[in-house]
This record gives sequence, C-alpha cells and structure tokens, in this order.
Amino acid sequence: DAKTTQPNSMESNEEEPVHLPCNHSTISGTDYIHWYRQLPSQGPEYVIHGLTSNVNNRMASLAIAEDRKSSTLILHRATLRDAAVYYCIRGFGNEKLTFGTGTRLTIIP
Amino acid sequence: EAQVTQNPRYLITVTGKKLTVTCSQNMNHEYMSWYRQDPGLGLRQIYYSMNVEVTDKGDVPEGYKVSRKEKRNFPLILESPSPNQTSLYFCASSLLAGGPAYEQYFGPGTRLTVT
Repeated sequence: DAKTTQPNSMESNEEEPVHLPCNHSTISGTDYIHWYRQLPSQGPEYVIHGLTSNVNNRMASLAIAEDRKSSTLILHRATLRDAAVYYCIRGFGNEKLTFGTGTRLTIIP
Repeated sequence: EAQVTQNPRYLITVTGKKLTVTCSQNMNHEYMSWYRQDPGLGLRQIYYSMNVEVTDKGDVPEGYKVSRKEKRNFPLILESPSPNQTSLYFCASSLLAGGPAYEQYFGPGTRLTVT
C-alpha cells in the first residue's frame, strides 16, 4: 500500500515548467511528503521534502495543499536530464518509506 | 566522495546457494535500508536499520536477513535464494533515523538473477 496516488506518466516540453501531482488523502498530521526521482539505470535520488508549507531548493519546488491531502512537485524549467520516474512518498521519518510506482516523466525536445 | 557502495553490481546464482550483497556508506549515517525493485511494483523496502545492532522488517522481509555490526556496513543475506528473489536491489543510507525525515542516499544497485 503506497498510500499515495500519482499519474503513471506525464509528458512535458523542454524548457517549460512541469507540475507533477500527488494525492495523499489519508496523510496523518506528522507525515512528511517526500519526493525522489530515479534516472534510467540509476538508484533513486532525493529531490525535496516538506511538512506543511511550500518548500524550495535548487532542484525543485514543493507546493502542499492547505489540507495536506495533495501536493505538487514543480520543476521550473524542464531539461532532458529531468526525464525520470518521480516518486511521491508520505512518511514521518525515514523508516518504512513506501515508494510505489511513481510517475514516468518524458521530456520532449 | 560521499557515497553508498554495493557489491557485487551483477550476480547470477542458482537456487539455494547462499549469497551476501554488501552495502557500505562513508558518511557516518545512522540509518540504512534495503529495497528491491521489480517491474510494475516500484521500490519495496526489505529491511532497515536505525543504528548499529538495531534492525527491523520492511514490507517484504521474507527470505532475507540483515545485520548491522558496524555503522558503515549493512549486508543483505539470502540464505537460500529462490527465483522469485530475482530483482534489482538498492541500499540506502540517511544521516539520522527517526524524527523528521532526512535525505536518503542510494547505492547504484545490484542486479540479482536466481536460476
């Protein structure tokens, strides 16, 4: 039970913003929202995580709905290197994070 | 360079022959974990360790053992491998365990085939 729902796949044009949605309607009050991505033939890599308010880092932004039942990962300007599977995960600490199947993002040149 | 290393990267073995996949991190991380990745099922956690001598089951622990005798190492042991353990395995580590989440660093993966 991945406890989050994401679209199986999305496409975006290169150099345009990408909004990756995630539904986590049963999230508890202490669960964080984590995003990881997995490039082809590599292990997953951390992207961002947050609890209640929106978060920004050098890779992306995370917008969390006020009721915390959904969130959106925003890549501000997609490049070909951003083509990957993106995982949205809910959990408090690191123990027992369930990754699910994620969203496969294709970037169109 | 800060990293998580796994060995071997590729392994083909036969049913019932005990094997160990090693995982080592050089970042003094408390938390370490093993995942397996199968087509259509995503990444599933096998075991995790909050610190030395502290391990716990993840979502799919059956058929696997782990140990955490030193902080840097977290080997995955398959006492009697079976074909349904053919998979891509990832080790991960994180600075601290428990409390708010910290970034997990993943190894490059070990592709295991059991015939």
